[in-house]
Amino acid sequence: EAGVAQSPRYKIIEKRQSVAFWCNPISGHATLYWYQQILGQGPKLLIQFQNNGVVDDSQLPKDRFSAERLKGVDSTLKIQPAKLEDSAVYLCASSFQPNTEAFFGQGTRLTVV
Amino acid sequence: GESVGLHLPTLSVQEGDNSIINCAYSNSASDYFIWYKQESGKGPQFIIDIRSNMDKRQGQRVTVLLNKTVKHLSLQIAATQPGDSAVYFCAENPYRDQGGKLIFGQGTELSVKP
Repeated sequence: EAGVAQSPRYKIIEKRQSVAFWCNPISGHATLYWYQQILGQGPKLLIQFQNNGVVDDSQLPKDRFSAERLKGVDSTLKIQPAKLEDSAVYLCASSFQPNTEAFFGQGTRLTVV
Repeated sequence: GESVGLHLPTLSVQEGDNSIINCAYSNSASDYFIWYKQESGKGPQFIIDIRSNMDKRQGQRVTVLLNKTVKHLSLQIAATQPGDSAVYFCAENPYRDQGGKLIFGQGTELSVKP
């Protein structure tokens, strides 16, 4: 079974630029999560989707971050404009349902300079 | 706010020894806990979980202990191997399900010396 796929693996941008990350969850998984992991810390939930709807985006900095999952499969996370403190690994995870085990992708490492 | 934290940021052990990684949680509503292993450049990988109606659960070379009285969680790794070197996170789910909406602790880096 293929795992959660994320791209790109690495991205370096200058502050105030825009960036987008892509996630393809495990086939059949209805629930998708985006986490932010700052170096030396545990992952922090940004947003949770159920199919193409947002379940929880209470920790998403909506002034600069946005996410969508238009067809209920792939998802993109965008930052516009980026700040230095956005440097982190952005992890995508998916689960069959909201109350079942989540599987993580390898993440996208973002460096903002 | 409520959070999950770890007592030790780094742990160095000799190959073959047993390892114990500790975690304190503060959300008394949490009833599901998971330990993850994260190797460099990879996402967190599920190791073992435990529900609040249990105080011990064993897997292959790993045991998780839960002490609800003092809100403490530990991960024991038997006969630690070089391949166990990684950062270990505890995570809690205060939403009364077993899903992926989790609160993670800071992490402990385990280094295994051959």
